Amino acid sequence: GNSVTQMEGPVTLSEEAFLTINCTYTATGYPSLFWYVQYPGEGLQLLLKATKADDKGSNKGFEATYRKETTSFHLEKGSVQVSDSAVYFCALSDQGAPGGTSYGKLTFGQGTILTVHP
Amino acid sequence: EPEVTQTPSHQVTQMGQEVILRCVPISNHLYFYWYRQILGQKVEFLVSFYNNEISEKSEIFDDQFSVERPDGSNFTLKIRSTKLEDSAMYFCASLLQDSNQPQHFGDGTRLSIL
Repeated sequence: GNSVTQMEGPVTLSEEAFLTINCTYTATGYPSLFWYVQYPGEGLQLLLKATKADDKGSNKGFEATYRKETTSFHLEKGSVQVSDSAVYFCALSDQGAPGGTSYGKLTFGQGTILTVHP
Repeated sequence: EPEVTQTPSHQVTQMGQEVILRCVPISNHLYFYWYRQILGQKVEFLVSFYNNEISEKSEIFDDQFSVERPDGSNFTLKIRSTKLEDSAMYFCASLLQDSNQPQHFGDGTRLSIL
């Protein structure tokens, strides 16, 4: 079955530091890949996505590139802010046939807690 | 922008009682999902729903769980006889059609079983 593995956390950084959160996946077929963010006390928000190999998703200074050869989708940001403190989830979605079993179903990684200090 | 809304935001229930968690998906979406997140753990898939029937359910989704779309707008998750281990955040999500597009999530219902 599908699975997503994220780097162990928590990650603690100073403001303006470089961030990498590793994510690798196992899937049949060609999944779509997502990063979701969960701020304290809130629900899941889509951060960025990529739907095919070599696609780069980007949003709010965050980037991730879909690497089929290494089955990875690492999240990066060049300069983090205190407001980026949150839990980050890597996820994949099977590109099955519409209406079929597992269509759109998301498989999540275990989440990485990021804390950014001033 | 349209949102998925969930009610209540927090539900406290005695063990053995029934609970119904409510969700209003985005109006033109066709696929509906429930996920669960036990405190400090990852988000886990429970069930998907399409065309008025369950498409897939996980092994977590046993006979105590059921889902319904009783009208054109609500999507509910019922737990018939709650257990302590059902305490978790429950997220509803909906999807339009294209699985390349992201699911839209509600803010979740925190369920606490005493």
